[in-house]
Amino acid sequence: DIQMTQSPASLSASLGEAVSIECLASEDIYNNLAWYQQKPGKSPQLLIYYASNLQDGVPSRFSGSGSGTQYSLKINSLESEDAATYFCLQDSEYPYTFGAGTKLELK
Amino acid sequence: QVTLKESGPGMLQPSKTLSLTCSFSGFSLSTSGMVVSWIRQPSGKSLEWLAAIDWDGDEYYNPSLKTRLTVSKVTSNTQIFLKITSVDIADTATYYCARRFNYYFDYWGQGVMVTVSS
Repeated sequence: DIQMTQSPASLSASLGEAVSIECLASEDIYNNLAWYQQKPGKSPQLLIYYASNLQDGVPSRFSGSGSGTQYSLKINSLESEDAATYFCLQDSEYPYTFGAGTKLELK
Repeated sequence: QVTLKESGPGMLQPSKTLSLTCSFSGFSLSTSGMVVSWIRQPSGKSLEWLAAIDWDGDEYYNPSLKTRLTVSKVTSNTQIFLKITSVDIADTATYYCARRFNYYFDYWGQGVMVTVSS
């Protein structure tokens, strides 16, 4: 199985700041990496697919980058609604695997 | 409008078989490239992909659970099912079904909580 190492596990930032979340795959996943946002009691919502493509309706302050084994999600100009847990998912090969998640708290 | 909705027993005893249903609308599983997966999430933890079935009826399983899982669909291509045999406390989780089309999961159900307890 491909292991996804996500960091940090949690972070705290202020409104208007920018943050980055990283995911490291145990092998090349050829940009088959998606980012999800999950709020308590809700299902995950797709933010980014294929490493850097913004899903329709997702604010442009979210962006994804990376290649090979290293990927990142950047959120610019944090807003209060961005408080959530973020997960990466590799869908390069079965079994698909998720990162452990990053809990973002807004100060 | 694409929607998916999971249903299940809520609670069951250890060693029993868990049966889950994913009912969906707004798309057909018979469309080429369409896949529906089962994914679960224990409370406060990350997500685990379990199984999938595609438009051609091909089934895919997580090797860590493969011997206990069976995924299937109805011929009308509006529902899929998941059976997990010999459940134990570690199977307590929220179970989601999610659509994968054009190479990414774009729609998820609301999830159904399942508790395994004696």
